[in-house]
This record gives sequence, structure tokens and C-alpha cells, in this order.
Amino acid sequence: GDSVTQTEGQVALSEEDFLTIHCNYSASGYPTLFWYVQYPGEGPQLLFRASRDKEKGSSRGFEATYDKGTTSFHLRKASVQESDSAVYYCALLNSGGSNYKLTFGKGTLLTVTP
Amino acid sequence: NSKVIQTPRYLVKGQGQKAKMRCIPEKGHPVVFWYQQNKNNEFKFLINFQNQEVLQQIDMTEKRFSAECPSNSPCSLEIQSSEAGDSALYLCASSRDGYEQYFGPGTRLTVL
Repeated sequence: GDSVTQTEGQVALSEEDFLTIHCNYSASGYPTLFWYVQYPGEGPQLLFRASRDKEKGSSRGFEATYDKGTTSFHLRKASVQESDSAVYYCALLNSGGSNYKLTFGKGTLLTVTP
Repeated sequence: NSKVIQTPRYLVKGQGQKAKMRCIPEKGHPVVFWYQQNKNNEFKFLINFQNQEVLQQIDMTEKRFSAECPSNSPCSLEIQSSEAGDSALYLCASSRDGYEQYFGPGTRLTVL
């Protein structure tokens, strides 16, 4: 079945540091890829999506590029802020069979200290 | 920000009791999903609807869980006989096309 692997379970940074969270996927066909962010006490919020090879998604200074060759969709931000502290999830959607269910990675807890 | 509304935010039940939670999807979103997020932050898809019709549901859902999305009423997810392992955050999401899914804040169920 489909799967998403996030390498980092936790990332601790200082404000203005560069962020990378690694995401690799395994799926049949051509999935759509997403990044979600979840703050304490809330549901996941969609950051952005990408649907085809080399497409870049971006929002709020975060970005990721769909790479079909390496089956990756790594999240990056040039300068993190304390308010970025949250759990980040990479997810994929394979719409074969009109299912539309999201497959999530295990999440990466980002803690940013001032 | 998502406009999906979920009630109640917190639900406490004893084992064997029914637990029912509701979801109002965003206006104009015909596709509705229910996911379960456990204490390890793992997500499990439960069921989805397009308009009032079930698209897919997992085996677990078919036995003790029931869900519906009637027209002009909130969607609902009900657990007929709660078990300790059902304690989790239940998330409702809605979507215009099935791809971009917007989540509500969830209902946190605790089964004592």
C-alpha cells in the first residue's frame, strides 16, 4: 500500500534558522502530495499541495518541490519563527478508485526557541 | 482558516456506551471525511461521503461505527459500544473536489 516516511521525528531550532524536514513517499501511480501543520488543540491545516513532477508548492514562507525521481517532497523554510512551532505532516493522496483518502506520515514536531 | 465545525470538542464515555459526534462541513464542500488520530499522532481513515453517499469505509467502521451525512443536517459519526481503544481525536474534513481536505478542530473522545 501507499506510505509516507518523515525522517525526523523532532526538530529543535532557534529563530532565523533554516528548516528542512525530509519526506519520502511510496505509492503506485501519480499521487498528489501535501504538507499539513497542526497546532496544539487544533486540526491539521493545509499548507500547500503539489500534483506533478517538479511542481513547487509554497505558503507562509514554507516550500516543497515534488520530485518523482527521488519520490520526495521535502519541506523547507529559510528563516523560522517561534510561531512556527507545531507538528508538520507530509501526506499523499492517490485517487485511484475515487477513494480520496489521505495517507499521512508520522509527523515532525518542530520546536523553535527565541 | 478552516470553517469545518465539530461538536462536541470533548466527549467522555464509559466502556459500552454510545458516543456520537457531529460535523458541519464547509459550505460548498460535497465530500466529507472522518479520520481517527491516536495518541501517537497516527491518522486512520474511517469513512468518506460524497453528498449523502458513502464512497468508502474501512472494516472497523462497518462493525461498531456508523456514520451518515444527511442533506440539510450535520454529518455524524457514532460508536455503538465504546471501547478503551477508541479513545482518540476524531477529525472531520471537507473538500470541494476530494483533494484539498480542510479539517475541523476535532472531537476528543475519552473512553474510561
